[in-house]
Amino acid sequence: EAQVTQNPRYLITVTGKKLTVTCSQNMNHEYMSWYRQDPGLGLRQIYYSMNVEVTDKGDVPEGYKVSRKEKRNFPLILESPSPNQTSLYFCASSPDRVQETQYFGPGTRLLVL
Amino acid sequence: RKEVEQDPGPFNVPEGATVAFNCTYSNSASQSFFWYRQDCRKEPKLLMSVYSSGNEDGRFTAQLNRASQYISLLIRDSKLSDSATYLCAVNKVRGSTLGRLYFGRGTQLTVWP
Repeated sequence: EAQVTQNPRYLITVTGKKLTVTCSQNMNHEYMSWYRQDPGLGLRQIYYSMNVEVTDKGDVPEGYKVSRKEKRNFPLILESPSPNQTSLYFCASSPDRVQETQYFGPGTRLLVL
Repeated sequence: RKEVEQDPGPFNVPEGATVAFNCTYSNSASQSFFWYRQDCRKEPKLLMSVYSSGNEDGRFTAQLNRASQYISLLIRDSKLSDSATYLCAVNKVRGSTLGRLYFGRGTQLTVWP
């Protein structure tokens, strides 16, 4: 089954404690993205990647890091989480930059205390 | 100015009603257009792409007006199961490698019996 998986699905952490949210897709897609969704602000892109070792900043990259060492994985790293990073995070993948079909992961709910 | 503007609603309509959502985009270089559906606390899922000639999928009709830079979604004969948030998305392909997908904030629809 074609899918995008994220882990963990729910996470409560404290300010400053480094965390990683994993994202994996099994469709051999080249394009992957991370979004955060906040009430009233909609989906905002954090980082995206066209292929292995090719990443670029989205609209809200501050406080986040990503890496794309393998085509299927695109982890999101919060080196020093802060309460303003409390949000719902989605990973997404698509076959190419046109993104005719984009598949989203199930989301990760993060609470930073 | 935001890349994509969308009326957040909410729209509350009775079953059987016809409802229309509009979305405007700011960049005339935008190339691909989409409507996504998002159920509460779930990931967005592609509803349909929007083509210049307009396209229809059952009760759903999507249209693009490049001159006025807006896209629309028409839902006819609304069902209770149509209750969700509808997100418009616009892809702006930048340069020769990377593209960006910009989302509107979403329009909430509630269909009541």
